[in-house]
Amino acid sequence: DTAVSQTPKYLVTQMGNDKSIKCEQNLGHDTMYWYKQDSKKFLKIMFSYNNKELIINETVPNRFSPKSPDKAHLNLHINSLELGDSAVYFCASSQFTGPQETQYFGPGTRLLVL
Amino acid sequence: AQKVTQAQTEISVVEKEDVTLDCVYETRDTTYYLFWYKQPPSGELVFLIRRNSFDEQNEISGRYSWNFQKSTSSFNFTITASQVVDSAVYFCALSEAGNTDKLIFGTGTRLQVFP
Repeated sequence: DTAVSQTPKYLVTQMGNDKSIKCEQNLGHDTMYWYKQDSKKFLKIMFSYNNKELIINETVPNRFSPKSPDKAHLNLHINSLELGDSAVYFCASSQFTGPQETQYFGPGTRLLVL
Repeated sequence: AQKVTQAQTEISVVEKEDVTLDCVYETRDTTYYLFWYKQPPSGELVFLIRRNSFDEQNEISGRYSWNFQKSTSSFNFTITASQVVDSAVYFCALSEAGNTDKLIFGTGTRLQVFP
């Protein structure tokens, strides 16, 4: 009965590879997000989607492409991985879009680029 | 521009001590929302509380309490009678009415509670 789930939990890969991280929420929420947490624990939003439409794109390199096949899923595809992409990526969801909404986070995906 | 400052990088206490985690925010909006999240060693982010800018009432939930003071732009978090399980990184975050649903996080405070 996990609310927001991500796969994989750990991802180790070589520079230059392409990889995807999947996110699913079973809360019936309309809005989903991707955040990046760097090695200093700093959390920053990357994208948000409302009902499959892109709402926020925070000047993330275009090697990162979110894809939302339906409102319960928001996947993150990363092309040509770089060392600096190593981080923990968190998916989150909220019932609606808006600053008053509480965002519920998934367990995170730890990406290590070698 | 909006900003959240958590000046305490790390705090260490012994079990049963009370501890306060500070959070100071900056915003130009009159309508905004403040949040606290907990990140235990296992890594997930757990929602603790949400407060809107029009509600300055302090909140208590068990051993946790929050003190929201608009006059000092602060939203501090106190744990009473701390326990080892409280050891985690705690994040304060801000969202503004004029900024869709973007959550701006502070840099976090690592709390270590020793037995």
